[in-house]
Amino acid sequence: QKEVEQDPGPLSVPEGAIVSLNCTYSNSAFQYFMWYRQYSRKGPELLMYTYSSGNKEDGRFTAQVDKSSKYISLFIRDSQPSDSATYLCALMNSGGSNYKLTFGKGTLLTVNP
Amino acid sequence: DAGVTQSPTHLIKTRGQQVTLRCSPKSGHDTVSWYQQALGQGPQFIFQYYEEEERQRGNFPDRFSGHQFPNYSSELNVNALLLGDSALYLCASSLGQGSFYNSPLHFGNGTRLTVT
Repeated sequence: QKEVEQDPGPLSVPEGAIVSLNCTYSNSAFQYFMWYRQYSRKGPELLMYTYSSGNKEDGRFTAQVDKSSKYISLFIRDSQPSDSATYLCALMNSGGSNYKLTFGKGTLLTVNP
Repeated sequence: DAGVTQSPTHLIKTRGQQVTLRCSPKSGHDTVSWYQQALGQGPQFIFQYYEEEERQRGNFPDRFSGHQFPNYSSELNVNALLLGDSALYLCASSLGQGSFYNSPLHFGNGTRLTVT
């Protein structure tokens, strides 16, 4: 079983739709949870990160963590064509200086005008 | 404020050859991590350098080696290239004395390596 599972999609939605992206993980040592966005031919850029279970909101984006189920989600409200990208979940054990990230495969999202 | 810069952007090598990829961290950062991203996959951690030493290593063979210079820039070397080494190689920088909350990883745009 892989440490992090993420449905690779692709996912295609109309502009304005609510998008739900998800990852599951198996290692309960993961304590920190992140979502990265990666445009084609670019490096990943950090969208959101959180430590605890619950919701964290930033504009149109909401990150949700359920540690008991080992399940994390990213919701995008009022999706825009500019949101079209690959979304990667990333997890890590420790928030100290020697951190390394474990990534999911990424979900390719297309938002159609 | 310059972000993470990587060179070259693209590279084509033949099986068995050796390759060196270069990375300059974001201004103010002193720690460099390298990741390999195969097509359709998420990035996989190769290793991390801080104070010119390898501090952590992922599950990669010894053919993958690195170096960090006093100016914090870094090189990734891969020997005896295999077809399976074809991937996007990403460099990420951060502050060695910071936590993730103070200094999250900043990624470069990567070097796309093709091994034929």
